[in-house]
Amino acid sequence: DGGITQSPKYLFRKEGQNVTLSCEQNLNHDAMYWYRQDPGQGLRLIYYSQIVNDFQKGDIAEGYSVSREKKESFPLTVTSAQKNPTAFYLCASSLVAGGVHEQFFGPGTRLTVL
Amino acid sequence: AQSVSQHNHHVILSEAASLELGCNYSYGGTVNLFWYVQYPGQHLQLLLKYFSGDPLVKGIKGFEAEFIKSKFSFNLRKPSVQWSDTAEYFCARKGSARQLTFGSGTQLTVLP
Repeated sequence: DGGITQSPKYLFRKEGQNVTLSCEQNLNHDAMYWYRQDPGQGLRLIYYSQIVNDFQKGDIAEGYSVSREKKESFPLTVTSAQKNPTAFYLCASSLVAGGVHEQFFGPGTRLTVL
Repeated sequence: AQSVSQHNHHVILSEAASLELGCNYSYGGTVNLFWYVQYPGQHLQLLLKYFSGDPLVKGIKGFEAEFIKSKFSFNLRKPSVQWSDTAEYFCARKGSARQLTFGSGTQLTVLP
């Protein structure tokens, strides 16, 4: 089955620790995205990547980092510099060539900082 | 910066009632609009999209939306809701680099 997988589903972190959230897709999509979802605020873009080895900051990139070494993978690291990291994190992917395309979303990772 | 507004934060309806959820987008640029739905415990999934052409867009599960350029609106409608429509609904707009700007979401609760 084609799709987007995110792991882990739940993640607990102590303050001061960095954690990495995994996102893998087998849809052969060029573009990948990370969003953060908070109650009453919708989804906000953290980082996005339209091609391997290239990525851009979104609206709320501070305290986060990403890499895009493979087309299929776009891991997100939540660093200790992120002041309020407890949230639901969603990864998405889409085609790039040929116009406007919908984004497909993974099941999400719920991060809780203790 | 582009923005999307959803003014209804929580809507409660009885089954068979008609639904209209508001979505307004900011002026400027090419307008590509989406409605996504997040059912409890499930992935965010696309309901419908508008890129150009007919302003009345039909989506899955009996949903439709109308793009009204003069009102900067893209409201979601369904003539008769079911209990299974209980979910959170997000309006979104495509940015210049394919990223999406989302509204704050509307939680719809349908009472059986």
